[in-house]
Amino acid sequence: QKEVEQDPGPLSVPEGAIVSLNCTYSNSAFQYFMWYRQYSRKGPELLMYTYSSGNKEDGRFTAQVDKSSKYISLFIRDSQPSDSATYLCAITDSWGKLQFGAGTQVVVTP
Amino acid sequence: KAGVTQTPRYLIKTRGQQVTLSCSPISGHRSVSWYQQTPGQGLQFLFEYFSETQRNKGNFPGRFSGRQFSNSRSEMNVSTLELGDSALYLCASSLAYQGASNEKLFFGSGTQLSVL
Repeated sequence: QKEVEQDPGPLSVPEGAIVSLNCTYSNSAFQYFMWYRQYSRKGPELLMYTYSSGNKEDGRFTAQVDKSSKYISLFIRDSQPSDSATYLCAITDSWGKLQFGAGTQVVVTP
Repeated sequence: KAGVTQTPRYLIKTRGQQVTLSCSPISGHRSVSWYQQTPGQGLQFLFEYFSETQRNKGNFPGRFSGRQFSNSRSEMNVSTLELGDSALYLCASSLAYQGASNEKLFFGSGTQLSVL
């Protein structure tokens, strides 16, 4: 069993809808929680970064961490076709290594 | 400020050959990490170099090796290529080593390696 689980999708939503993505993890020692966005044939780019339970907002993006449930989420409001990409959660373990989820492919249709 | 640069962008090799991939980190970044990305396994950590020393290593065979130079540029080598080595190889850089407080990784666009 992987330490970070993420549904690979694809997740298809109409433009303007809220995109909801999530990951679960097994190791309570995980410290830092990140979301990356990866467009086709590109490297991942960092979207959101947090280390505490609760919500963090950045424009249309909200990252949520629930350490008691070992569950992290990313919400994208007012989704646009340009948001179509693969979204990867990433968590830093106690050794400092990033553990990535499998990535969820999101398709926003006009 | 230039981002992480990886060369070459695409590579085609045959089984048994060896390959060397190059990564130039963001100026001032001292840590370089390498990842393998495949559709089936996702992103898997290969190794991390910080100040020319390998700091962390993933679960890959010894055919995968790397090094970092004094200017923080890094190379990754794969010897005796196998079909299963076909993947996107990503390099990421950061100011300090992974796990340091608030440290963030910045990725290059990757080298797409195809082994025939």
